[in-house]
Amino acid sequence: DTAVSQTPKYLVTQMGNDKSIKCEQNLGHDTMYWYKQDSKKFLKIMFSYNNKELIINETVPNRFSPKSPDKAHLNLHINSLELGDSAVYFCASSQDLGGRELFFGEGSRLTVL
Amino acid sequence: DAKTTQPPSMDCAEGRAANLPCNHSTISGNEYVYWYRQIHSQGPQYIIHGLKNNETNEMASLIITEDRKSSTLILPHATLRDTAVYYCIVYNQAGTALIFGKGTTLSVSS
Repeated sequence: DTAVSQTPKYLVTQMGNDKSIKCEQNLGHDTMYWYKQDSKKFLKIMFSYNNKELIINETVPNRFSPKSPDKAHLNLHINSLELGDSAVYFCASSQDLGGRELFFGEGSRLTVL
Repeated sequence: DAKTTQPPSMDCAEGRAANLPCNHSTISGNEYVYWYRQIHSQGPQYIIHGLKNNETNEMASLIITEDRKSSTLILPHATLRDTAVYYCIVYNQAGTALIFGKGTTLSVSS
């Protein structure tokens, strides 16, 4: 079983559309994250959730809305997609807020045309 | 912003030890040094971390200088599969999230 799984792996869509990326972890961790890796390969933290509560929101546009239905899931919904949203989005989890051994998913490559 | 400085790229021959340096001259007493790597197109993978003592696990060794201003990640017998971007991260356990810098691209060749 994959520890942190993301779906879909690839997503191609038009500007202005709304899309979601789902993430699930089966490690029993309390904390989950979304990172964005752009074309220059910089990995940037977007959000973190601890036990379904939002902890970090790093100046991400309001078009991005994370949702955590339970502590094993952290989904990312993006409204009104823009060209600049094209990137690879990584979900990750850790034991708790202080844990820094993060387990990453394989990434979801979003291409906005 | 990342608090570490790493060379942008390094080469290593297969079977040789790969020594990846990292400078973290502004590290605080309660900050740990973490190493991750990202193999092409995959999610980052945790390697090792330490506070002030040297650490070793099945993947690598971490050598931290006595003044803690720099460290070296050692892959004792590099293989082609170790070709990746290696990130050195300084982190306070009370902090909120790992901040990744530019890392070092390690190329292992036969």
